[in-house]
Amino acid sequence: SQKIEQNSEALNIQEGKTATLTCNYTNYSPAYLQWYRQDPGRGPVFLLLIRENEKEKRKERLKVTFDTTLKQSLFHITASQPADSATYLCALDIGGNMLTFGGGTRLMVKP
Amino acid sequence: GAVVSQHPSRVICKSGTSVKIECRSLDFQATTMFWYRQFPKQSLMLMATSNEGSKATYEQGVEKDKFLINHASLTLSTLTVTSAHPEDSSFYICSAGTGGEDYGYTFGSGTRLTVV
Repeated sequence: SQKIEQNSEALNIQEGKTATLTCNYTNYSPAYLQWYRQDPGRGPVFLLLIRENEKEKRKERLKVTFDTTLKQSLFHITASQPADSATYLCALDIGGNMLTFGGGTRLMVKP
Repeated sequence: GAVVSQHPSRVICKSGTSVKIECRSLDFQATTMFWYRQFPKQSLMLMATSNEGSKATYEQGVEKDKFLINHASLTLSTLTVTSAHPEDSSFYICSAGTGGEDYGYTFGSGTRLTVV
């Protein structure tokens, strides 16, 4: 069966450290993968997109890697800040402009 | 940037009544919009794809007669929850593509529906 797995346990880190979130998938062959941030009671906000032929993409303090052999994407936030505390969702393209989402990982950055 | 406006943000209704949720693309045209449902501490589940000028495409297990979708213009899609029951209480979110893979999808702010 098709699955997208993110660590359901909250990730607690100290301010200034690098947060690393994982997204694993099975039985998909996405052309691209996206990462979104969701705050409580709000809709997701797009952060980054990485294509299947890209190994790594960066945007300011964010870095995403995409390993299609391992079927895994890693999402890094460097120099984390309390304002980065949120739930982060990975989403796969499943064709027809549709996305399917992972369960999300809640990140808590402590000052 | 692209903005998707969703209203209302919160609604409480009595069991058996219908509720309409609006999703508007404010500064772009959206031939396709997507409707999701999210239960507490769970991820977004795609309910249906709304297509301007044609019938919506529903995901497996979503009752099309209960969740009526109308996409009458290039900037407005509506979701009507008919004969709502407490189990329909959830967070409903719409989204639209903003064109170009690098921009992802823009989501509305969501509607918290509580059926009492």
